[in-house]
Amino acid sequence: DSGVTQTPKHLITATGQRVTLRCSPRSGDLSVYWYQQSLDQGLQFLIQYYNGEERAKGNILERFSAQQFPDLHSELNLSSLELGDSALYFCASSVAGDTQYFGPGTRLTVL
Amino acid sequence: GENVEQHPSTLSVQEGDSAVIKCTYSDSASNYFPWYKQELGKRPQLIIDIRSNVGEKKDQRIAVTLNKTAKHFSLHITETQPEDSAVYFCAPTGRAGNMLTFGGGTRLMVKP
Repeated sequence: DSGVTQTPKHLITATGQRVTLRCSPRSGDLSVYWYQQSLDQGLQFLIQYYNGEERAKGNILERFSAQQFPDLHSELNLSSLELGDSALYFCASSVAGDTQYFGPGTRLTVL
Repeated sequence: GENVEQHPSTLSVQEGDSAVIKCTYSDSASNYFPWYKQELGKRPQLIIDIRSNVGEKKDQRIAVTLNKTAKHFSLHITETQPEDSAVYFCAPTGRAGNMLTFGGGTRLMVKP
């Protein structure tokens, strides 16, 4: 157990819908990262937050957004969902300048 | 951005043999080199990492070696066991704390 929690574990929804994925970092970690893992794209970085502020952005679609709250948990919002958004979504956390530890992931299925 | 390649993409070994996975990267500024193990449907788990001021690091049956000049680092697993079967990812980065750029992964299969 890495200490990073993610909810829900599984999510099944329809095209065009909007979902929210939640991540709670390890106690004391200020940085949260979101990654997408699909069969054809591998593990790809989406976005990073540090102590409530956006720190870095990867290949994140405009339909996707995220935020980090004062208690340091983070949410990833995915809207206007398409079949191709089906993937495993991981968040990871770290103390600034240290190793990243991954949560168990949320498996999103878009039908 | 960082361009990362892993070889081989699949590796099958007999239990007890050694396995070596190589990762090449393009960004000469990279100075943090982790390896992650991922079992099917599970989260990536850090198994070993090395920083650029060190050439080699060992943890029991696992070791990582780094060649900064040639821009590659390798994962070595000795005395492989069936539970080592998984996908292994390298993720070189500018520094720990930056976002990770993952290689394409290596599927290791250890046959009993």
